[in-house]
Amino acid sequence: EIVLTQSPGTLSLSPGERATLSCRASQSVSSTYLAWYQQKPGQAPNLLIYDASSRATGIPDRFSGSGSGTDFTLTIDRLEPEDSAVYYCQQYGSSPWTFGQGTKVEIK
Amino acid sequence: VQLQQWGAGLLKPSETLSLTCAVYGGSFSDYHWSWIRQSPGKGLEWIGDINHSGTPNYNPSLKSRFTISVDTSKNQFSLKLGSVTAADTALYYCARKSCTRTTCYRRPFDYWGQGTLVTVSS
Repeated sequence: EIVLTQSPGTLSLSPGERATLSCRASQSVSSTYLAWYQQKPGQAPNLLIYDASSRATGIPDRFSGSGSGTDFTLTIDRLEPEDSAVYYCQQYGSSPWTFGQGTKVEIK
Repeated sequence: VQLQQWGAGLLKPSETLSLTCAVYGGSFSDYHWSWIRQSPGKGLEWIGDINHSGTPNYNPSLKSRFTISVDTSKNQFSLKLGSVTAADTALYYCARKSCTRTTCYRRPFDYWGQGTLVTVSS
């Protein structure tokens, strides 16, 4: 199965700054079948990005995804206090579908 | 679209885990339906999917311990796991796989239930 490794483990930034989150796959993710989710405490994950770079419905354009093959990035521009959450990547190119271990974004 | 799930939250070792997820809104037969669990030790772990015809697709890493079924007359799907152990303690989510007009297979999860905490303890 494809193992996804996210870095850094925790990102502590101020409002207005840019967050750059990394997701590295143990083998190539076919056809950029990679998604990003945001999970806030006590809530289920919420789909942000799918197919590596397409924003899900209702997601602001401050969130963007890029990458292919084994290296993917989630960028959050102009951080807001409500962006404080754990962010997960997930690949759905090769069964079993797998998730990264998450990156926690803290807003100072 | 709303997914509402329920089931027993406290089990003893060797008992059976049984969860059900009801889908409100949208077309139940047009999508695939999934179970995912989350634990501090293993993070988010996909358990399996099922389509409206009842054809399941399981995570082989979980050694087919789970059974997923569907009741299209009620727009519900269910998860069962027999002989639970402490290692099955987790927050269990039901979710919908977003589908295009041509495929539901390689797709992300676009709607999630609220989660059910299942604790296995003697």
